[in-house]
Amino acid sequence: EPEVTQTPSHQVTQMGQEVILRCVPISNHLYFYWYRQILGQKVEFLVSFYNNEISEKSEIFDDQFSVERPDGSNFTLKIRSTKLEDSAMYFCASRISGSGTDTQYFGPGTRLTVL
Amino acid sequence: AQKITQTQPGMFVQEKEAVTLDCTYDTSDPSYGLFWYKQPSSGEMIFLIYQGSYDQQNATEGRYSLNFQKARKSANLVISASQLGDSAMYFCAMRETRDNFNKFYFGSGTKLNVKP
Repeated sequence: EPEVTQTPSHQVTQMGQEVILRCVPISNHLYFYWYRQILGQKVEFLVSFYNNEISEKSEIFDDQFSVERPDGSNFTLKIRSTKLEDSAMYFCASRISGSGTDTQYFGPGTRLTVL
Repeated sequence: AQKITQTQPGMFVQEKEAVTLDCTYDTSDPSYGLFWYKQPSSGEMIFLIYQGSYDQQNATEGRYSLNFQKARKSANLVISASQLGDSAMYFCAMRETRDNFNKFYFGSGTKLNVKP
């Protein structure tokens, strides 16, 4: 069964460093998302992406964040200068279409630890 | 106002018994979707069940069913015949449909512990 994959599973970085989190959505999906879950808290929406552009973003997704689909398969989230409070689990998700009945399928997540 | 409210931070249930996890939502969109996800201790998010706002019948998926009460804006998850492997965090989520792009909102979760 097709699934969303994410790499790495765990990333440790120093404060101020840039990180890139990678996702490979399900191949025929068209809508892509990033979410964040700080330890012990709920999942928070960061950004949605369709047709090679951001369609919606939350207030969390400030200028330190960017997303890109550099080729036909990868979908990346970049944090330019990490802060301690960026430590969280980051989930990528994808959907096949914009239809109201389609669900999002989540990847296994990348745990980011900022020291 | 919170879009999704889960009022039970933690629940215990005896193995083989049924359990209901509460979820209420707030939206003015006529078209929306409600979802439940399971998050085991390993951290991944596993899709369980979906209910559309126009669906006439409650959704069911195996041991999972969604008790959808539209007028009350509630979408409770019922797990029948609980198993030890059901111990996990459970998140209720809602998708609002705006300009076809859809934004998901998650509740704060309910930690379910199944006792042997």
